[in-house]
Amino acid sequence: DAGITQSPRHKVTETGTPVTLRCHQTENHRYMYWYRQDPGHGLRLIHYSYGVKDTDKGEVSDGYSVSRSKTEDFLLTLESATSSQTSVYFCAISGTGEAFFGQGTRLTVV
Amino acid sequence: QKEVEQNSGPLSVPEGAIASLNCTYSDRGSQSFFWYRQYSGKSPELIMFIYSNGDKEDGRFTAQLNKASQYVSLLIRDSQPSDSATYLCAVNPRGHSGAGSYQLTFGKGTKLSVIP
Repeated sequence: DAGITQSPRHKVTETGTPVTLRCHQTENHRYMYWYRQDPGHGLRLIHYSYGVKDTDKGEVSDGYSVSRSKTEDFLLTLESATSSQTSVYFCAISGTGEAFFGQGTRLTVV
Repeated sequence: QKEVEQNSGPLSVPEGAIASLNCTYSDRGSQSFFWYRQYSGKSPELIMFIYSNGDKEDGRFTAQLNKASQYVSLLIRDSQPSDSATYLCAVNPRGHSGAGSYQLTFGKGTKLSVIP
């Protein structure tokens, strides 16, 4: 793995609760991404960051927020979790074009 | 909406054959193209990238790019059962020379099954 750690790896949470997923990198890459992957939909971009405190929305950003206060950390928050947000979440980093992925977080909202 | 299209498969090939995976993209300004392999329950891993028209070879893998036709393909020679996975095509509107990476858009993937 290219120095990317996601935490937690698995989480079960209740509808309506806030949830924060963490992505930590040791590669000092500028760009960081959050994707979700669902059967039939492939990988869809939620939010991405192009520097500290610089973030932008992706294709499926509703219900999600992000923060990046340090180069190495990119946080994804589900403000009020819903069952439709049950998914596998991947963080990715990129420095020169190609992206490298973390191990993923399997989130279940019950 | 930038789109990347792949045949979902499954694509079944016998061991030792050539597997051919195809991808088309809608953004004519796209600059860089990537192939990822994803085993079930695992994260995507990069196997090839290509920026220029033509072919690029790396071991048993060959990526082919035709920007005029907005088409990129991946050939796997001498396919092995360990190649059985889902292959994701990804497209980046930015080039690689210092600009870094912005919104990498993925296709839904083609599931490849190599039959022993």
